[in-house]
Amino acid sequence: QQQVKQSPQSLIVQKGGISIINCAYENTAFDYFPWYQQFPGKGPALLIAIRPDVSEKKEGRFTISFNKSAKQFSLHIMDSQPGDSATYFCAASKAAGNKLTFGGGTRVLVKP
Amino acid sequence: ETGVTQSPTHLIKTRGQQVTLRCSSQSGHNTVSWYQQALGQGPQFIFQYYREEENGRGNFPPRFSGLQFPNYSSELNVNALELDDSALYLCASSTGGPFVVETQYFGPGTRLLVL
Repeated sequence: QQQVKQSPQSLIVQKGGISIINCAYENTAFDYFPWYQQFPGKGPALLIAIRPDVSEKKEGRFTISFNKSAKQFSLHIMDSQPGDSATYFCAASKAAGNKLTFGGGTRVLVKP
Repeated sequence: ETGVTQSPTHLIKTRGQQVTLRCSSQSGHNTVSWYQQALGQGPQFIFQYYREEENGRGNFPPRFSGLQFPNYSSELNVNALELDDSALYLCASSTGGPFVVETQYFGPGTRLLVL
């Protein structure tokens, strides 16, 4: 059972454009929603995270939007740069357990 | 860099063999989680260790086992390797164990190829 569904699988955006990645979850016990960035041959690196008591969180060019009633959250990458070309994973974790359940990933390519 | 280190970086084994992967957690972190990432997929939770005890296990068979040492470093052991075990194995460290939701910091992974 895939508890976190991520879309799209891949994304091509022009430099300076906005990248939008969406995730939907099923388990209402999830209490923590991080986004990770992964480059080839590297481990995932935490980008930004949100908890369900907040509807939006912004850090630099990265913004998470969270819709608790719809059980959806999304990552917006503003002013996308070629260095942002990577695979992005959404994840979710229960308050007790601290085990991350990942989405399937989105490969983002930013064209110069 | 997160401060989480893993060894070896790459490993080639044959089916039926056993393998041990190692992880040193970030300084001050007492919790280690292991994940398996197949090519083109998201990481999948294997198990978590907190204060040398296993706390939580994903949908993996018993031939996947682990240890955590007093210095919080950890090992992942896989017996009777199968071709489908070929993957990137990731270690993540955090604080607080299973009782608190905390950010997990990932190491670079060990790439295992089973022939």
